[in-house]
Amino acid sequence: GENVEQHPSTLSVQEGDSAVIKCTYSDSASNYFPWYKQELGKRPQLIIDIRSNVGEKKDQRIAVTLNKTAKHFSLHITETQPEDSAVYFCAASPYTGGFKTIFGAGTRLFVKA
Amino acid sequence: GAGVSQSPRYKVAKRGQDVALRCDPISGHVSLFWYQQALGQGPEFLTYFQNEAQLDKSGLPSDRFFAERPEGSVSTLKIQRTQQEDSAVYLCASSLSSTSTDTQYFGPGTRLTVL
Repeated sequence: GENVEQHPSTLSVQEGDSAVIKCTYSDSASNYFPWYKQELGKRPQLIIDIRSNVGEKKDQRIAVTLNKTAKHFSLHITETQPEDSAVYFCAASPYTGGFKTIFGAGTRLFVKA
Repeated sequence: GAGVSQSPRYKVAKRGQDVALRCDPISGHVSLFWYQQALGQGPEFLTYFQNEAQLDKSGLPSDRFFAERPEGSVSTLKIQRTQQEDSAVYLCASSLSSTSTDTQYFGPGTRLTVL
């Protein structure tokens, strides 16, 4: 069925360390994979995205990798800072037969100073 | 420029009341999405509009939920006979075109509490 699984649900790292969040999706028709950051009480904001014709994309301290065969994609944050603390959501779209974007359940990232 | 706006930001309803939630997308954006976000969960798709056409309503949880976008800009999500399980944040997002790979820009959400 329609599903995006996200792990871990909680991640705690020391400032300066790297953080990795992993997602898997179920529908091979999906071709767009955005990542959103949501601070408490705020709206989700896009931080990076990747399309299915690309295997990796990097933007400063943030990178995303995509393995279409395995239906896996991952977010990598290097040199973490306290302001990176937030909930991160992966998503996959569209789903066959519709216009849905399916979100993962989220990863709460804590960066300890 | 102005982003996506939603009103009201907070809504408290008694069980059984009807509510209407408004979304003002970014001007000129073709696509508009509604999501429901329960506490501690990711946004869950409700429905999708391309201009005024509602092309996907597969995520609406029951026939108590109804959405419209009559002129292809502002959209309203209406919930009839609200139930406690309807309590959530309702997010609206818009994107520039009808392409599935377009960035979705989210509004601040409406937090609905049903007593």
